Amino acid sequence: QVQMVQSGAEVAKPGASVKISCEASGYTFSNYYVHWVRQAPGQGLEWMAIFNPRDRPIYAEKFQGRVSLTRDTSTDTSTTTVYMELRSLRSDDTARYYCARGAGGKELDSWGQGTLVIVSS
Amino acid sequence: SYVLTQPPSVSEAPGKTARITCGGNNLGDKTVHWYQQKPGQAPILVIYYDTDRPSGIPERFSGSNSGNTATLTISRVEAGDEADYYCQVWDSDTYHWVFGGGTQLTVL
Repeated sequence: QVQMVQSGAEVAKPGASVKISCEASGYTFSNYYVHWVRQAPGQGLEWMAIFNPRDRPIYAEKFQGRVSLTRDTSTDTSTTTVYMELRSLRSDDTARYYCARGAGGKELDSWGQGTLVIVSS
Repeated sequence: SYVLTQPPSVSEAPGKTARITCGGNNLGDKTVHWYQQKPGQAPILVIYYDTDRPSGIPERFSGSNSGNTATLTISRVEAGDEADYYCQVWDSDTYHWVFGGGTQLTVL
Protein backbone atom coordinates (compact mmCIF):
# COMPACT_ATOMS: atom_id res chain seq x y z
CA GLN A 1 0.00 0.00 0.00
CA VAL A 2 1.03 3.65 -0.33
CA GLN A 3 3.47 4.71 2.39
CA MET A 4 5.13 8.03 3.08
CA VAL A 5 7.71 7.57 5.84
CA GLN A 6 9.56 10.58 7.20
CA SER A 7 12.81 11.01 9.07
CA GLY A 8 12.98 11.67 12.80
CA ALA A 9 12.76 14.83 14.86
CA GLU A 10 15.37 17.55 14.53
CA VAL A 11 16.65 20.27 16.81
CA ALA A 12 18.48 23.13 15.15
CA LYS A 13 19.85 26.53 16.10
CA PRO A 14 18.61 29.79 14.63
CA GLY A 15 20.33 30.52 11.33
CA ALA A 16 21.09 26.86 10.67
CA SER A 17 19.52 24.52 8.10
CA VAL A 18 17.55 21.31 8.40
CA LYS A 19 17.01 18.59 5.83
CA ILE A 20 14.06 16.21 6.21
CA SER A 21 13.48 13.07 4.18
CA CYS A 22 10.28 11.45 2.94
CA GLU A 23 10.47 7.89 1.62
CA ALA A 24 7.65 7.10 -0.78
CA SER A 25 6.69 3.53 -1.65
CA GLY A 26 3.78 1.41 -2.82
CA TYR A 27 3.00 3.36 -5.99
CA THR A 28 4.56 4.58 -9.24
CA PHE A 29 6.47 7.62 -8.06
CA SER A 30 6.52 9.41 -11.42
CA ASN A 31 2.72 9.55 -11.56
CA TYR A 32 2.19 11.69 -8.45
CA TYR A 33 3.45 14.85 -6.76
CA VAL A 34 4.99 15.08 -3.30
CA HIS A 35 3.85 18.03 -1.20
CA TRP A 36 5.35 19.55 1.92
CA VAL A 37 3.01 21.06 4.50
CA ARG A 38 3.86 22.38 7.93
CA GLN A 39 1.91 22.93 11.13
CA ALA A 40 3.16 25.19 13.90
CA PRO A 41 2.15 24.26 17.47
CA GLY A 42 -1.59 24.82 17.91
CA GLN A 43 -1.94 26.24 14.41
CA GLY A 44 -3.39 25.15 11.08
CA LEU A 45 -1.89 23.57 7.98
CA GLU A 46 0.39 25.66 5.79
CA TRP A 47 1.38 24.55 2.28
CA MET A 48 5.08 25.01 1.54
CA ALA A 49 6.12 23.35 -1.70
CA ILE A 50 5.53 20.64 -4.25
CA PHE A 51 7.90 18.18 -5.89
CA ASN A 52 6.80 17.34 -9.43
CA PRO A 53 8.64 14.27 -10.80
CA ARG A 54 8.21 15.61 -14.34
CA ASP A 55 9.05 19.30 -13.76
CA ARG A 56 10.84 21.66 -11.43
CA PRO A 57 9.60 22.16 -7.83
CA ILE A 58 7.21 24.96 -6.95
CA TYR A 59 7.62 26.85 -3.70
CA ALA A 60 5.14 29.01 -1.81
CA GLU A 61 6.10 32.67 -2.01
CA LYS A 62 6.64 32.80 1.74
CA PHE A 63 9.44 30.22 1.51
CA GLN A 64 11.06 31.25 -1.77
CA GLY A 65 14.83 31.34 -1.36
CA ARG A 66 14.81 29.38 1.91
CA VAL A 67 13.47 25.99 0.87
CA SER A 68 14.72 23.40 -1.62
CA LEU A 69 13.31 20.05 -2.69
CA THR A 70 15.49 17.30 -4.07
CA ARG A 71 15.12 13.63 -4.93
CA ASP A 72 17.22 10.63 -4.14
CA THR A 73 18.55 8.89 -7.21
CA SER A 74 18.80 5.48 -5.56
CA THR A 75 18.88 2.42 -7.80
CA ASP A 76 16.24 0.79 -5.57
CA THR A 77 13.16 1.44 -7.68
CA SER A 78 10.72 0.23 -5.00
CA THR A 79 11.17 3.41 -2.98
CA THR A 80 11.98 7.02 -3.78
CA THR A 81 13.09 9.59 -1.24
CA VAL A 82 12.32 13.29 -1.48
CA TYR A 83 14.22 15.74 0.69
CA MET A 84 13.10 19.12 1.96
CA GLU A 85 15.81 21.51 3.13
CA LEU A 86 14.85 24.67 5.00
CA ARG A 87 17.61 27.25 5.52
CA SER A 88 18.14 30.30 7.73
CA LEU A 89 15.95 28.82 10.43
CA ARG A 90 14.07 31.09 12.82
CA SER A 91 12.21 30.28 16.03
CA ASP A 92 8.88 30.55 14.18
CA ASP A 93 9.95 27.68 11.92
CA THR A 94 9.36 25.38 14.89
CA ALA A 95 6.64 23.09 13.56
CA ARG A 96 5.74 19.61 12.47
CA TYR A 97 6.54 19.12 8.80
CA TYR A 98 4.52 16.69 6.71
CA CYS A 99 5.08 15.22 3.29
CA ALA A 100 2.03 14.02 1.39
CA ARG A 101 1.32 12.40 -1.95
CA GLY A 102 -0.44 14.69 -4.37
CA ALA A 103 -2.97 13.23 -6.76
CA GLY A 104 -4.26 14.47 -10.12
CA GLY A 105 -7.27 16.24 -8.69
CA LYS A 106 -4.92 18.38 -6.59
CA GLU A 107 -5.83 16.55 -3.37
CA LEU A 108 -3.26 15.20 -0.90
CA ASP A 109 -4.30 11.60 -0.54
CA SER A 110 -1.65 9.99 1.66
CA TRP A 111 0.36 11.71 4.38
CA GLY A 112 3.58 10.95 6.20
CA GLN A 113 3.66 10.78 9.98
CA GLY A 114 5.26 14.21 10.26
CA THR A 115 8.68 15.37 11.42
CA LEU A 116 8.99 17.72 14.37
CA VAL A 117 11.55 20.48 13.91
CA ILE A 118 12.46 22.58 16.93
CA VAL A 119 14.46 25.73 16.39
CA SER A 120 16.10 26.86 19.59
CA SER A 121 19.36 28.38 20.70
CA SER B 1 -3.49 35.08 -3.04
CA TYR B 2 -6.63 33.01 -2.65
CA VAL B 3 -8.13 32.85 0.85
CA LEU B 4 -10.34 30.14 2.37
CA THR B 5 -12.34 31.04 5.48
CA GLN B 6 -13.61 28.50 8.01
CA PRO B 7 -15.34 28.98 11.36
CA PRO B 8 -12.91 28.25 14.20
CA SER B 9 -15.28 25.85 15.92
CA VAL B 10 -18.49 23.88 15.45
CA SER B 11 -20.31 21.89 18.12
CA GLU B 12 -23.00 19.27 17.73
CA ALA B 13 -24.66 16.60 19.85
CA PRO B 14 -24.15 12.89 19.11
CA GLY B 15 -26.53 11.59 16.48
CA LYS B 16 -27.14 15.02 14.98
CA THR B 17 -25.78 16.51 11.75
CA ALA B 18 -22.70 18.73 11.82
CA ARG B 19 -21.98 21.15 8.98
CA ILE B 20 -18.60 22.79 8.51
CA THR B 21 -18.36 25.59 5.98
CA CYS B 22 -15.49 26.85 3.86
CA GLY B 23 -15.82 30.20 2.13
CA GLY B 24 -13.92 31.67 -0.81
CA ASN B 25 -14.45 33.95 -3.78
CA ASN B 26 -16.28 31.96 -6.50
CA LEU B 27 -15.31 28.80 -4.63
CA GLY B 28 -17.87 26.85 -6.65
CA ASP B 29 -15.60 27.25 -9.67
CA LYS B 30 -12.83 25.36 -7.88
CA THR B 31 -12.51 21.80 -6.60
CA VAL B 32 -12.54 21.49 -2.81
CA HIS B 33 -10.96 18.76 -0.71
CA TRP B 34 -11.46 18.12 3.01
CA TYR B 35 -9.11 16.66 5.64
CA GLN B 36 -9.67 15.38 9.14
CA GLN B 37 -6.92 15.69 11.73
CA LYS B 38 -7.23 14.14 15.17
CA PRO B 39 -4.94 15.26 18.01
CA GLY B 40 -1.40 14.01 17.58
CA GLN B 41 -2.10 12.48 14.18
CA ALA B 42 -1.41 13.37 10.56
CA PRO B 43 -4.33 14.65 8.48
CA ILE B 44 -6.33 12.21 6.38
CA LEU B 45 -8.38 12.94 3.28
CA VAL B 46 -12.12 12.54 3.91
CA ILE B 47 -13.67 14.24 0.85
CA TYR B 48 -12.12 14.98 -2.56
CA TYR B 49 -13.46 16.48 -5.78
CA ASP B 50 -16.09 18.35 -3.70
CA THR B 51 -18.22 15.26 -3.02
CA ASP B 52 -16.23 12.01 -3.33
CA ARG B 53 -15.21 9.82 -0.41
CA PRO B 54 -11.96 7.83 -0.36
CA SER B 55 -12.32 4.17 0.44
CA GLY B 56 -12.70 3.58 4.15
CA ILE B 57 -14.41 6.90 4.87
CA PRO B 58 -17.94 6.36 6.24
CA GLU B 59 -20.93 7.37 4.14
CA ARG B 60 -21.86 9.73 6.98
CA PHE B 61 -19.30 12.14 5.49
CA SER B 62 -20.47 14.14 2.47
CA GLY B 63 -19.54 17.35 0.72
CA SER B 64 -21.03 20.05 -1.46
CA ASN B 65 -19.72 23.15 -3.20
CA SER B 66 -21.63 26.00 -4.80
CA GLY B 67 -21.35 29.75 -5.11
CA ASN B 68 -18.90 31.02 -2.53
CA THR B 69 -19.29 28.21 0.00
CA ALA B 70 -18.31 24.57 0.31
CA THR B 71 -19.76 22.45 3.09
CA LEU B 72 -18.60 19.29 4.79
CA THR B 73 -21.58 17.49 6.30
CA ILE B 74 -21.19 14.78 8.93
CA SER B 75 -24.43 12.91 9.60
CA ARG B 76 -25.15 11.04 12.83
CA VAL B 77 -22.14 12.57 14.50
CA GLU B 78 -20.13 10.31 16.81
CA ALA B 79 -17.61 11.03 19.54
CA GLY B 80 -14.91 9.62 17.26
CA ASP B 81 -15.57 12.42 14.75
CA GLU B 82 -14.10 15.00 17.12
CA ALA B 83 -11.20 16.50 15.20
CA ASP B 84 -9.98 19.51 13.28
CA TYR B 85 -11.24 19.74 9.71
CA TYR B 86 -9.51 21.62 6.91
CA CYS B 87 -10.70 22.54 3.44
CA GLN B 88 -8.19 22.90 0.60
CA VAL B 89 -8.13 24.07 -3.02
CA TRP B 90 -5.60 24.56 -5.77
CA ASP B 91 -5.25 28.18 -6.87
CA SER B 92 -4.76 28.11 -10.64
CA ASP B 93 -3.65 31.76 -10.69
CA THR B 94 -0.58 31.16 -8.52
CA TYR B 95 -0.23 27.38 -8.94
CA HIS B 96 -0.25 27.16 -5.16
CA TRP B 97 -2.19 24.92 -2.83
CA VAL B 98 -4.28 26.68 -0.19
CA PHE B 99 -5.71 25.45 3.11
CA GLY B 100 -8.48 26.98 5.15
CA GLY B 101 -7.70 27.91 8.74
CA GLY B 102 -9.37 24.80 10.11
CA THR B 103 -12.50 24.11 12.17
CA GLN B 104 -12.50 22.25 15.46
CA LEU B 105 -15.50 19.93 15.71
CA THR B 106 -16.67 19.23 19.24
CA VAL B 107 -19.18 16.46 19.89
CA LEU B 108 -21.15 17.52 22.94
